[in-house]
Amino acid sequence: DVKVTQSSRYLVKRTGEKVFLECVQDMDHENMFWYRQDPGLGLRLIYFSYDVKMKEKGDIPEGYSVSREKKERFSLILESASTSQTSMYLCASSLRGSSEKLFFGSGTQLSVL
Amino acid sequence: KQEVTQIPAALSVPEGENLVLNCSFTDSAIYNLQWFRQDPGKGLTSLLLIQSSQREQTSGRLNASLDKSSGRSTLYIAASQPGDSATYLCAVRPNSGGYQKVTFGTGTKLQVIP
Repeated sequence: DVKVTQSSRYLVKRTGEKVFLECVQDMDHENMFWYRQDPGLGLRLIYFSYDVKMKEKGDIPEGYSVSREKKERFSLILESASTSQTSMYLCASSLRGSSEKLFFGSGTQLSVL
Repeated sequence: KQEVTQIPAALSVPEGENLVLNCSFTDSAIYNLQWFRQDPGKGLTSLLLIQSSQREQTSGRLNASLDKSSGRSTLYIAASQPGDSATYLCAVRPNSGGYQKVTFGTGTKLQVIP
């Protein structure tokens, strides 16, 4: 089975800190995604990557950047964390192809104080 | 813009009951629809994927159906168990664009009472 691993389940950071969220998948998937999930707002796409070093902005990229230097790893970076970025962050991956499923990691609950 | 609605937002049933969860979408030009479950504080676990050309998919006690023309999908859970308690989300992928264009419903929170 596909495994998508997020490095931290819980993180507590201070306003203004630089925050790195890491995601690794073990099935050679081309596509990787970062979402945030907030009560009442559902899942919203932050960034998407379809290959190494390739990225596209999602619906809410402001305040975030990403890095994909290796196929299996996709990092989300909060350059200067703010309280509005307190949220559940979910990484996902998929193969390129119409019949392929989207697979999610276990999530990182980030609190910015 | 695609809108995906899941009603009810919450559902409570006694153990052993068969139940149906609903997912409605406004744009029928979809590529596939995927059902997920999410346990509290955790990520999404894929349950079933239905391609636009399919009418249903089954896995164990779960059966998902798709009616594109009416913009509806249902997830049927047979003989519900307390372990089925979770939030169930559907995700709709459009014909144009890949998974980056997926729209998620806000979910139905299911509680199965022993």
